[in-house]
Amino acid sequence: GEDVEQSLFLSVREGDSSVINCTYTDSSSTYLYWYKQEPGAGLQLLTYIFSNMDMKQDQRLTVLLNKKDKHLSLRIADTQTGDSAIYFCAESIGGGADGLTFGKGTHLIIQP
Amino acid sequence: EAQVTQNPRYLITVTGKKLTVTCSQNMNHEYMSWYRQDPGLGLRQIYYSMNVEVTDKGDVPEGYKVSRKEKRNFPLILESPSPNQTSLYFCASKPYMGGDETQYFGPGTRLLVL
Repeated sequence: GEDVEQSLFLSVREGDSSVINCTYTDSSSTYLYWYKQEPGAGLQLLTYIFSNMDMKQDQRLTVLLNKKDKHLSLRIADTQTGDSAIYFCAESIGGGADGLTFGKGTHLIIQP
Repeated sequence: EAQVTQNPRYLITVTGKKLTVTCSQNMNHEYMSWYRQDPGLGLRQIYYSMNVEVTDKGDVPEGYKVSRKEKRNFPLILESPSPNQTSLYFCASKPYMGGDETQYFGPGTRLLVL
């Protein structure tokens, strides 16, 4: 079955790097996503990675995928107060309901 | 502007009073779906639709109905709401089922059932 796990909270100092980790169980995942949800707002797609890639970088964001260990991480360089949000990892395997399976979300807390 | 819209954004109702949450997309997408978000549980899919007049259950369909009479609209219907349906609801769409495209999410509808 599908299951996506994340830590519920991560606290970092402003200016440091944040690393949010995610593990998934379905090896047939085709795409893996990171969504950001700010307080009272909807879901914003941050980035995604295709399952045959190891790494994707987009400005301050770096996504690392270890397919062997089914581990996905999101690194945010130079974390700012505006990065404070809930970050959801999600996987898509296609077929069936073709929906996204989400993790429970990681609350990123920025300390001044 | 390409977008998914939901109405209402906030709703307080009482147990048993039928309600409908509308969802509309202007991108001519075939695939639409509904999710609910609950603290500590993440997002879970309620129903999805592959195209007009084609709908199917997601992971948590109990207590909900949907319809897809037109391509752009995918309303979520709660015939007899109960307090355990208090949640934050998101509608999403993407061009078609399968494929590589990510889903576009609406802004969310926060529902409180008393």
